[in-house]
Amino acid sequence: DIQMTQSPSSLSASVGDRVTITCQASQDISNYLNWYQQKPGKAPKLLIYDASNLETGVPSRFSGSGSGTDFTFTISSLQPEDIATYYCQQYDNPPFTFGPGTKVDIK
Amino acid sequence: QVQLVESGGGLVKPGGSLRLSCAASGFTFSDYYMSWIRQAPGKGLEWVSYISSSGSTIYYADSVKGRFTISRDNAKNSLYLQMNSLRAEDTAVYYCARIREMVEDYWGQGTLVTVSS
Repeated sequence: DIQMTQSPSSLSASVGDRVTITCQASQDISNYLNWYQQKPGKAPKLLIYDASNLETGVPSRFSGSGSGTDFTFTISSLQPEDIATYYCQQYDNPPFTFGPGTKVDIK
Repeated sequence: QVQLVESGGGLVKPGGSLRLSCAASGFTFSDYYMSWIRQAPGKGLEWVSYISSSGSTIYYADSVKGRFTISRDNAKNSLYLQMNSLRAEDTAVYYCARIREMVEDYWGQGTLVTVSS
């Protein structure tokens, strides 16, 4: 199975800050990577697919990049409503494993 | 609008069985692969299983293989997860999700399964 790692596991930033999360796959997954946002008590929401494509309706302050084994997720200007846990997920080969998550909160 | 509503969760003893259902609406169910993903209390997401649009292709995570069975009824716009030989470590919120080009794009709100004596 493909293993996914994320860093950091948590971060605290101020409103308006640029926030970056990294995700690494244990083998080449091309661009078959998603990013999800999960708020407490809610289902995950798809933000980014194919590593860099913004899902319809998602604010443009969210972006993703990378290919192969190394990927980056960025919030260009953190907003209070972005407080959540963010997960990467590979869908190159089943099982479609998730990273352990990055919890983002406001400083 | 796409809606996925899970049901069937509850408290079950170790070794017991439970059948989860997911009712889909707002899209042509028979055109899409579907999946189950779970989340243990306070933990991260664990992908469990997927089924192709026709039901001919199925995949399971190793942690549930041989114990869980995914199925669908396209006439009823419904997805199912039969869970047998349940263990404490199967305790989780179970989400069903629609798969669009191998991406889980819509998720239900989840149903809680608790395995405890």
